[in-house]
Amino acid sequence: AQSVTQPDIHITVSEGASLELRCNYSYGATPYLFWYVQSPGQGLQLLLKYFSGDTLVQGIKGFEAEFKRSQSSFNLRKPSVHWSDAAEYFCAVGAWSGNTPLVFGKGTRLSVIA
Amino acid sequence: NAGVTQTPKFRILKIGQSMTLQCTQDMNHNYMYWYRQDPGMGLKLIYYSVGAGITDKGEVPNGYNVSRSTTEDFPLRLELAAPSQTSVYFCASSYSPDQQTMNTEAFFGQGTRLTVV
Repeated sequence: AQSVTQPDIHITVSEGASLELRCNYSYGATPYLFWYVQSPGQGLQLLLKYFSGDTLVQGIKGFEAEFKRSQSSFNLRKPSVHWSDAAEYFCAVGAWSGNTPLVFGKGTRLSVIA
Repeated sequence: NAGVTQTPKFRILKIGQSMTLQCTQDMNHNYMYWYRQDPGMGLKLIYYSVGAGITDKGEVPNGYNVSRSTTEDFPLRLELAAPSQTSVYFCASSYSPDQQTMNTEAFFGQGTRLTVV
């Protein structure tokens, strides 16, 4: 079964600074990968997804992520963070076969300071 | 387009009471999931279903039951509520993984905040 690790529980960045949130997965074959964002008291919203092809994927709100098979990683990046980006971010990994469920990481809480 | 609808949004239960959290989706998804979210613990999978009539346990199934009699509905049943079940519960749905359509992302409901006292 697949698994996913988000090593950073909480990250604080200054507004306007760049951001990188880490995600490492474990799966025997090529997975499909997502990043979701959750604002306080809300459900989860899809930021971006990777299924195949180009390893750099663009998402909403200016986010991008890069799939690196050699490092089993799918890190989320944004060049300039806005105060409204403060939220919880979840990486998720799925398998193309085997009727296995989507697996989520524990999340990274992002705080943005002025 | 309603997407995934969960009811109720909030509920307070007494220890030992039972209740059903309702989840329905109108996207004809065959996969459905129940997760619970506790502070700092991410999303833990309770049960999931890959189609009507098929359910399977996730990471934390104890104290819960599910059924999937239709494609649209996936209720979660708490039989004897315990304080450890105080949490926020999310239902989600998706198409089954298909490398042809690449149409596999999960859509989430707004959550049910449950407190057991």
